[in-house]
Amino acid sequence: DIRMTQSPSSLSASVRDRVTITCRASQTISVSLNWYKQKLGKAPELLISDASRLQSGVPSRFSGSGSGTEFTLTISSLEPEDFATYYCQQSHTPLYTFGQGTTLEIK
Amino acid sequence: EVQLVQSGAEVKKPGESLKISCQASADTFIGYWIAWVRQAPGKGLEWMGIIYPGDATKRYSPSFEGQVTISVDRSIKTVYLQWSSLKASDTAIYYCAKRGYFPQDPLDSWGPGTLVTVS
Repeated sequence: DIRMTQSPSSLSASVRDRVTITCRASQTISVSLNWYKQKLGKAPELLISDASRLQSGVPSRFSGSGSGTEFTLTISSLEPEDFATYYCQQSHTPLYTFGQGTTLEIK
Repeated sequence: EVQLVQSGAEVKKPGESLKISCQASADTFIGYWIAWVRQAPGKGLEWMGIIYPGDATKRYSPSFEGQVTISVDRSIKTVYLQWSSLKASDTAIYYCAKRGYFPQDPLDSWGPGTLVTVS
């Protein structure tokens, strides 16, 4: 199984801050890495696929990068609606494992 | 865009059986896969398994194989997740989500979730 490890597990930040979340895979996954956002009490939603492909309708302040085993999700300037939990997920092998999540909280 | 509608919340006792559903709004049920994802209270997302409605091909996470059954009724464009004997540890929100045809495709559309409480 490919293990996905996110860091940090939680993060406090302020509106207009720039934040970066890291996701590491236990083995190489090329760019088969997706990012999801989950607001409390809601279903997850896809933000970024293939490590860096922004989904339609997702604000441009979100960006993704990386390949192989190390990936990042960056929010360039936090807005109030960005405070949520973020998950990475690998789609390189049929066991599509998720990271444990990073909760972004308002400072 | 495919919308996924899930069945309502369930409260069950340990040992009871349960079948929850996920219905697709699309005109076609071909060309994409439907996955099930578990989220236990206060926890993260866990991949359970996936089915291709076109031919009912299924794949399960080893953690869930033998514990649940995924099935499909193509005539009503509905995918199911079933337990024969629930445990308290099955208490969770269960999401269905659509994945594209190719294995590397992401989960690009999610249902609202079904809360299952076993107590």
